[in-house]
Amino acid sequence: SAVISQKPSRDICQRGTSLTIQCQVDSQVTMMFWYRQQPGQSLTLIATANQGSEATYESGFVIDKFPISRPNLTFSTLTVSNMSPEDSSIYLCSVDFSGRGTGELFFGEGSRLTVL
Amino acid sequence: GEDVEQSLFLSVREGDSSVINCTYTDSSSTYLYWYKQEPGAGLQLLTYIFSNMDMKQDQRLTVLLNKKDKHLSLRIADTQTGDSAIYFCAESHSGAGSYQLTFGKGTKLSVIP
Repeated sequence: SAVISQKPSRDICQRGTSLTIQCQVDSQVTMMFWYRQQPGQSLTLIATANQGSEATYESGFVIDKFPISRPNLTFSTLTVSNMSPEDSSIYLCSVDFSGRGTGELFFGEGSRLTVL
Repeated sequence: GEDVEQSLFLSVREGDSSVINCTYTDSSSTYLYWYKQEPGAGLQLLTYIFSNMDMKQDQRLTVLLNKKDKHLSLRIADTQTGDSAIYFCAESHSGAGSYQLTFGKGTKLSVIP
């Protein structure tokens, strides 16, 4: 399996600030996915990041709050903007390396954000 | 919308079998998955089953799917302390050119030595 690296692994942030999370994959992939895991909750898909086009956001998530970049086939960033304590979560990057589109997702170790 | 439900906690003794259950509501689910999350780590895909199958076995893991009842289970034989983790059930449906997953809240498995 390939390696997915996320930075930062954790951070403590002040209300009203923004933080950008980076996801680096060691092989080229078409689609990268950003998930949020709130404390004690399941994973929720934020958006699908495609190289060369706008990210596709799920219901309840908007580009102004969670802008995403996908400059090439191995890298993506997710920014959490104007943070509030409700944004305290683990943010996970994932990819489907199978190429079969079967949802066999591989996940990064996540970025744990705490907003004060 | 789609919903995936699973019990939150399970405790078993080392060497016993663990059975983690999951129910889902989306009758058009294509694949169903079990992911494992160890403390401080990302999710790891354990196994998945195509919706036209009713059983899949992989070493100590057995997945049973009852499509009529929309019930999925994961059996871990000879449970070890290293199996202690949170196990997430997930189902997929096609959308936006790929499969999108809906996860349950996870079952925390505690293995007692």
